[in-house]
Amino acid sequence: DGGITQSPKYLFRKEGQNVTLSCEQNLNHDAMYWYRQDPGQGLRLIYYSQIVNDFQKGDIAEGYSVSREKKESFPLTVTSAQKNPTAFYLCASRGRGDLIYSNQPQHFGDGTRLSIL
Amino acid sequence: SQKIEQNSEALNIQEGKTATLTCNYTNYSPAYLQWYRQDPGRGPVFLLLIRENEKEKRKERLKVTFDTTLKQSLFHITASQPADSATYLCALVRNNNDMRFGAGTRLTVKP
Repeated sequence: DGGITQSPKYLFRKEGQNVTLSCEQNLNHDAMYWYRQDPGQGLRLIYYSQIVNDFQKGDIAEGYSVSREKKESFPLTVTSAQKNPTAFYLCASRGRGDLIYSNQPQHFGDGTRLSIL
Repeated sequence: SQKIEQNSEALNIQEGKTATLTCNYTNYSPAYLQWYRQDPGRGPVFLLLIRENEKEKRKERLKVTFDTTLKQSLFHITASQPADSATYLCALVRNNNDMRFGAGTRLTVKP
């Protein structure tokens, strides 16, 4: 079945450590997104990519980095500069609808929960 | 600043009743509005999309309305069932790169 796979499900970060969250999709979608979800808040956009080898900062990119070397993969690195990394991280992708994306829904993975040790 | 509010953090109703969830927004002009369902520990799943020029959309027991004058969308689940218990998120879409999510309403349907 087509879908988005995020791994690991749970991740623990030590102080001063960088950690990388994996996101793979086999939906042949061009656009991919990373969100952070905190209790009582809406999903907040960290980074997005609309094409291979290109990505843009979202609303809360500080302390995070991404790469898009392959269409299927969009890994997120949480760097030591992110001082409050504890959250639920969601990866999503979206297909092209007619001439624009915006009428297409986003397909989400099942998230990675990151905690500080 | 842009603001999206979903009526309440939690809503409890009795099985068989209609659940009505509200999504209000300010300082934003969406072209589309989407509703998602999210179960604990899982990612959101798309349910319905409604365009700015549409008043109402239905899918099985689900109904969505969109009033751009009131800046409000209502999401109804008729004949609710315990399996409908989840968090429901509204998302406003202005263009390719601008999609904003509400914090969600946690619905509990009691048998």
